Amino acid sequence: GQNIDQPTEMTATEGAIVQINCTYQTSGFNGLFWYQQHAGEAPTFLSYNVLDGLEEKGRFSSFLSRSKGYSYLLLKELQMKDSASYLCAVRLYNNNDMRFGAGTRLTVKP
Amino acid sequence: DAGVIQSPRHEVTEMGQEVTLRCKPISGHDYLFWYRQTMMRGLELLIYFNNNVPIDDSGMPEDRFSAKMPNASFSTLKIQPSEPRDSAVYFCASSLFSGRDEQYFGPGTRLTVT
Repeated sequence: GQNIDQPTEMTATEGAIVQINCTYQTSGFNGLFWYQQHAGEAPTFLSYNVLDGLEEKGRFSSFLSRSKGYSYLLLKELQMKDSASYLCAVRLYNNNDMRFGAGTRLTVKP
Repeated sequence: DAGVIQSPRHEVTEMGQEVTLRCKPISGHDYLFWYRQTMMRGLELLIYFNNNVPIDDSGMPEDRFSAKMPNASFSTLKIQPSEPRDSAVYFCASSLFSGRDEQYFGPGTRLTVT
């Protein structure tokens, strides 16, 4: 089976920084994606890593260590609208078959 | 482009009835995915197609579920007969594949089986 683990819930304060971790043990690896999903809506793409290191995109950054099977999503200058679930997904092979973690529900408080 | 289109957005049906969910992928995308999302199990891949051909249906729960993609612009997911445990949000997603292409999700169909 494919194991993709994330914390279930996190809480942070508006304006702060939060790091959401994801660890994976999968039969293959061809890239890691982060998606954001607001309640009652569809997931939307945030970031993509295939090589080790940090990818920065505005207030959001994502890090990958393939040797450790580990990624994190870093959200800076948190805003109330960042309250959502964040899904880690691993693309398994040389196609677009992706498996998702259960998601981390982030609550941003004033 | 209008994005991935799914219909209906909400479906309420009685146990034993047939349910058909529909999806129109983004034009030009050659991959189409069907997912099911519940609180208990999260987002599960049911089946995906490449160029209208089913590639992996190992996530389909049982024989009551079937999916077709008769052409590049239309896919259906059918449940017959439906059961209360099938209640979930069903998402369709489509993508290209050229390295970093992400999947684009439709708005989902919320299915309730009573």
